[in-house]
Amino acid sequence: EVQLVESGGVLVQPGRSMKLSCAASGFTFSSFPMAWVRQAPTKGLEWVATISTSGGSTYYRDSVKGRFTISRDNAKSTLYLQMDSLRSEDTATYYCTTYSSGFDYWGQGVMVTVSS
Amino acid sequence: DIQMTQSPSFLSASVGERVTLSCKASQNINKYLDWYQQKLGEAPKLLIYNTNNLHTGIPSRFSGSGSGTDYTLTISSLQPEDVATYFCLQRNSWPTFGAGTKLELK
Repeated sequence: EVQLVESGGVLVQPGRSMKLSCAASGFTFSSFPMAWVRQAPTKGLEWVATISTSGGSTYYRDSVKGRFTISRDNAKSTLYLQMDSLRSEDTATYYCTTYSSGFDYWGQGVMVTVSS
Repeated sequence: DIQMTQSPSFLSASVGERVTLSCKASQNINKYLDWYQQKLGEAPKLLIYNTNNLHTGIPSRFSGSGSGTDYTLTISSLQPEDVATYFCLQRNSWPTFGAGTKLELK
């Protein structure tokens, strides 16, 4: 069974940094592109970033480009999202997903609140 | 960015009823259209990918169709467990989601 478990979400002040992790199991992690998708409170879904199987290619939405970094450790079956210079508009639940035929499988999500 | 417009925003239907949800793209998305279901308090779940392909484990009462800019999700016989918000997503370019259709029981 595919399992994706996010961690690292907390309350952080604007301008500070935070790193999210996503532990994967139940599938061959190194064979799947991965992604982060977020959802602001009572809002819709928003794609954040995608990473290739090797980690050699990464893609970001414009509003996080230069501030967020997606990475992966295939030996540890773990996906990461380093978030720097956080803004209030980054407040959301962040979901880790596989990215093969669409966003196939999702974690339970981790809440990130950016507030002073 | 490609804009995705879903209609209606809210839908109330009866158990057993046939339900149709629509999604319109601002330009041709070449059938790179997925549908997701999100129940209250849960993570979204993939239902259908590339317009009409049922994801693993999804009941056959769900189906998708469309081409070009216009796409449809159909639930052939609504069940109580189908109460949720449904989102469409285009992957022809940078992924963008529609705002969702909230489906409730009448």
